[in-house]
Amino acid sequence: QKEVEQNSGPLSVPEGAIASLNCTYSDRGSQSFFWYRQYSGKSPELIMSIYSNGDKEDGRFTAQLNKASQYVSLLIRDSQPSDSATYLCAPAGGNEKLTFGTGTRLTIIP
Amino acid sequence: GAGVSQSPRYKVAKRGQDVALRCDPISGHVSLFWYQQALGQGPEFLTYFQNEAQLDKSGLPSDRFFAERPEGSVSTLKIQRTQQEDSAVYLCASSPFRGGELFFGEGSRLTVL
Repeated sequence: QKEVEQNSGPLSVPEGAIASLNCTYSDRGSQSFFWYRQYSGKSPELIMSIYSNGDKEDGRFTAQLNKASQYVSLLIRDSQPSDSATYLCAPAGGNEKLTFGTGTRLTIIP
Repeated sequence: GAGVSQSPRYKVAKRGQDVALRCDPISGHVSLFWYQQALGQGPEFLTYFQNEAQLDKSGLPSDRFFAERPEGSVSTLKIQRTQQEDSAVYLCASSPFRGGELFFGEGSRLTVL
């Protein structure tokens, strides 16, 4: 089992719709969870962090965490073409090292 | 500068050559990470420093890879006798504290011919 699993996509979503990105992780010691966005040819940039079970909202982005199910998700509301990118899930394990998934490639269709 | 700075941005090496990649983290950031990212993959952990101490080097793929951060600031990743499979983007990231979010540099793209 991979440490961090994400659907690689591509995930195509119409402009204005909600994009839903999912991630499961294996390290039950993980306490911090991060979502990074990576445009093609660029380095990852942090868009959301979440530390407690439940939802965390920041603008059009909502992160959801369920530690019992070892599941974290990212919702993007009112999707824009500029949201087209690869989204990387990264839990920080018990050793505080971030482990990245392979990423989900998201395409917003105008 | 305000961000993480990496150099060179692009490096082409002949197989068997040694290369050195430099990372200058955000001032005051104690944690520094090196990741390797192959095309179409997520970043893979290589090694981690807390100040000058290398706390985890479990991700280094072979003994040809070596990293240092002698004064707890600038770090260098050295790859000896490069092989074609070493071709990748090498990302450096720093964090203000352990377990915190990572701030990435632009990466160094290594191509081994």
